[in-house]
Amino acid sequence: RKEVEQDPGPFNVPEGATVAFNCTYSNSASQSFFWYRQDCRKEPKLLMSVYSSGNEDGRFTAQLNRASQYISLLIRDSKLSDSATYLCVVNDPGGGADGLTFGKGTHLIIQP
Amino acid sequence: NAGVTQTPKFRILKIGQSMTLQCAQDMNHNYMYWYRQDPGMGLKLIYYSVGAGITDKGEVPNGYNVSRSTTEDFPLRLELAAPSQTSVYFCASSSPVNRVGETQYFGPGTRLLVL
Repeated sequence: RKEVEQDPGPFNVPEGATVAFNCTYSNSASQSFFWYRQDCRKEPKLLMSVYSSGNEDGRFTAQLNRASQYISLLIRDSKLSDSATYLCVVNDPGGGADGLTFGKGTHLIIQP
Repeated sequence: NAGVTQTPKFRILKIGQSMTLQCAQDMNHNYMYWYRQDPGMGLKLIYYSVGAGITDKGEVPNGYNVSRSTTEDFPLRLELAAPSQTSVYFCASSSPVNRVGETQYFGPGTRLLVL
């Protein structure tokens, strides 16, 4: 089974700081990459897709390094509302349906 | 647009009981999925469906069954509940068009406790 590995944290970060976390994936054939956000006792929701050229959405920047098979998420000027678990998600060609494999998540706590 | 809906929100079962977790989506998505999420763990795929009448096993299908008679509905059946099935169950849907790995939209989840 292909794996997606994340540091579970928790990352305790003061409000306003910049925080970054990475995720590594084992399937070199993977083509689609995502970051999902999951609040406590809620369902995962798509935060952003990750493109080869890197992409930015407001305070969030995602990067993909295919050679090293890792994905990163950078959050600038962190807000209290950014506290959540961030799931790294990678498609798994040959897996079921569209074969997404979810990491276990990185828990982020923004402190006032 | 309600998106993906799930019922019930929470249920307690006794060992050996059966139940059906309901899932419906109104986005006309072809693909639907059932996941379970145990505390501190990632989502594990139980079953999936690529269209009405077509279902297939995921990573952890034992103890579960599904059916997909319509595009909208994808119920998950537990026949003989066991404590190991205590978990949060998420239903999701997606509509891959050009490539695999398109966004999956999740329902709010069903919390199941088996005692």
